[in-house]
Amino acid sequence: QVQLQQWGAGLLKPSETLSLTCAVYGGSFSGYYWSWIRQPPGKGLEWIGEINHRGSTNDNPSLKSRVTISVDTSKNQFSLKLSSVTAADTAVYYCARQFVVEATFLYYDAIDIWGQGTMVTVSS
Amino acid sequence: SSELTQDPAVSVALGQTVRITCQGDSLRSYYASWYQQKPGQAPVLVIYGKNKRPSGIPDRFAGSSSGNTASLTITGAQAEDEADFYCNSRDSSGNRLYVFGTGTKVTVL
Repeated sequence: QVQLQQWGAGLLKPSETLSLTCAVYGGSFSGYYWSWIRQPPGKGLEWIGEINHRGSTNDNPSLKSRVTISVDTSKNQFSLKLSSVTAADTAVYYCARQFVVEATFLYYDAIDIWGQGTMVTVSS
Repeated sequence: SSELTQDPAVSVALGQTVRITCQGDSLRSYYASWYQQKPGQAPVLVIYGKNKRPSGIPDRFAGSSSGNTASLTITGAQAEDEADFYCNSRDSSGNRLYVFGTGTKVTVL
């Protein structure tokens, strides 16, 4: 049973850098994309970005290059850094596993495992 | 970037059928996945690909797609199905970027 456990600072001041780490237990690290998703209080889900085991990343352009996602395959961990935070970055942050099925004329993907979520509050 | 639009809220009588829709250009090219989220909990995958259900998801949940619209149907809704539902799909640009739908609150009466 694969589990994701995440941790990081829960209270930040404006302009600081958010830093979260997610550890993968009980399964392979390769062959998947490892994602970060957030949810402001009372609002919907927002995809932040992803990384694979080779370190290839993609992130949401709306976050204006503030995102850094990294991986440590020796520890089966991946991390998120979000710089220059403001109150608008206050949210529950989730790490998650995304699988991809790709073949000739066939493609689908989905996020099948989620971390427990970390509430991050940005306040002066 | 792409947008995925959902109705904000729907209600369904206990035991009846409800359909939740998700509209967006990217759905012409990519399947949507669907997530159920109950208060204070992480989302749970309920449908992916062409109407596939993860292990443990009841068969009253079904997915379909036509044109730019993906749908999640709950047939015989139960009280425990009351939750927020989100669709998710890859961006229509073809790049590995993803977008979530705006979310639908399902109330079981």
